[in-house]
Amino acid sequence: GAGVSQSPRYKVAKRGQDVALRCDPISGHVSLFWYQQALGQGPEFLTYFQNEAQLDKSGLPSDRFFAERPEGSVSTLKIQRTQQEDSAVYLCASSSETGKKPQHFGDGTRLSIL
Amino acid sequence: AQSVTQPDIHITVSEGASLELRCNYSYGATPYLFWYVQSPGQGLQLLLKYFSGDTLVQGIKGFEAEFKRSQSSFNLRKPSVHWSDAAEYFCAVGKAAGNKLTFGGGTRVLVKP
Repeated sequence: GAGVSQSPRYKVAKRGQDVALRCDPISGHVSLFWYQQALGQGPEFLTYFQNEAQLDKSGLPSDRFFAERPEGSVSTLKIQRTQQEDSAVYLCASSSETGKKPQHFGDGTRLSIL
Repeated sequence: AQSVTQPDIHITVSEGASLELRCNYSYGATPYLFWYVQSPGQGLQLLLKYFSGDTLVQGIKGFEAEFKRSQSSFNLRKPSVHWSDAAEYFCAVGKAAGNKLTFGGGTRVLVKP
């Protein structure tokens, strides 16, 4: 596809359930980022991949959050034992390593924890 | 640590009037600066970026921004707003083009007819 694709667009889960959010980056983009955007706030960095290597996970709020990108393309953000404070929009972005290329964002997954 | 401040949470402008959104950053080296726009239920769309060179940068949709190192600012401007410019605007800073971004809290722009 032409842009970053995220699925599902909306996810409702009960507190304590596990969820998985998917990101398909732009073809050929080696860098992939996950951000969390709480209601009424700016996005906050969660984690970064270069190809399949997770080079920075300093923004993950707890060990309940886990991200992977096993083949250097599609990435999955998993949240275990969800809590209400996990409710947010989760944004994925990708960028090309070559040149001064900025990040391109997907439309996000809105996660609501009941 | 890098940080971004957008002092105005909301701005209301009349259609056809000019618009300026403020952004101040804190960063120890030469920053990579970005403005993104977000419409409801959508992701972030890049309006413009500053990496180096000319401090006045042009972007899409008629927007421009000026980098002022002495003031640590990167304000966004548009001479004449359209109703379709109503959205939330985010300023962001990074160490490099493909590096993680630190965002400001955003400014919501409302356009009056």
